[in-house]
Amino acid sequence: AQKVTQAQTEISVVEKEDVTLDCVYETRDTTYYLFWYKQPPSGELVFLIRRNSFDEQNEISGRYSWNFQKSTSSFNFTITASQVVDSAVYFCALSEPTGTASKLTFGTGTRLQVTL
Amino acid sequence: DVKVTQSSRYLVKRTGEKVFLECVQDMDHENMFWYRQDPGLGLRLIYFSYDVKMKEKGDIPEGYSVSREKKERFSLILESASTNQTSMYLCASSLIRYSNQPQHFGDGTRLSIL
Repeated sequence: AQKVTQAQTEISVVEKEDVTLDCVYETRDTTYYLFWYKQPPSGELVFLIRRNSFDEQNEISGRYSWNFQKSTSSFNFTITASQVVDSAVYFCALSEPTGTASKLTFGTGTRLQVTL
Repeated sequence: DVKVTQSSRYLVKRTGEKVFLECVQDMDHENMFWYRQDPGLGLRLIYFSYDVKMKEKGDIPEGYSVSREKKERFSLILESASTNQTSMYLCASSLIRYSNQPQHFGDGTRLSIL
């Protein structure tokens, strides 16, 4: 069965600190996709990144970076020099097997609180 | 940009009422989804649809039904609302079946059943 684990329920950091959000997944598929979403207090989930299982290169986008390690089934998300606007709930998600209308399995989310 | 619009941000209903939550997307997406979000449980899939008049059960379909009469509109129906259906409901859409394209979400409807 598919499973996504975000063990960190809540993280608090002071602005400008770096923070890493962990995501561990389980799947039997050899081809799959991983996603990160951000949910600010307004409620809408915002898509951040999609990674396929064949691409293990790390990705950087501004202050955001993602570390995909197939060997440990992890897809961790790091925010460098955090800002108050980064305060949100972050979800990691795993695609279900092909043939199921692009369903996603979500983790339970990590709430990040960035304070001044 | 994809726009997914949910009809209400906040809704208060009474136990036993029939409740309709509406969702509209403007980008001709094939797939549409309804989730509920509860603290500590993340997002759980209720129903999804990959075409007009097609629907499939998600992980927690009990007590819910859906309707997709037009491609852009996906409705979630609580047949007889109960207090344990108090939750945040999120609608999403994605481009093409099987494509694993990102899902795009609406703002959510916070539903309270009294």
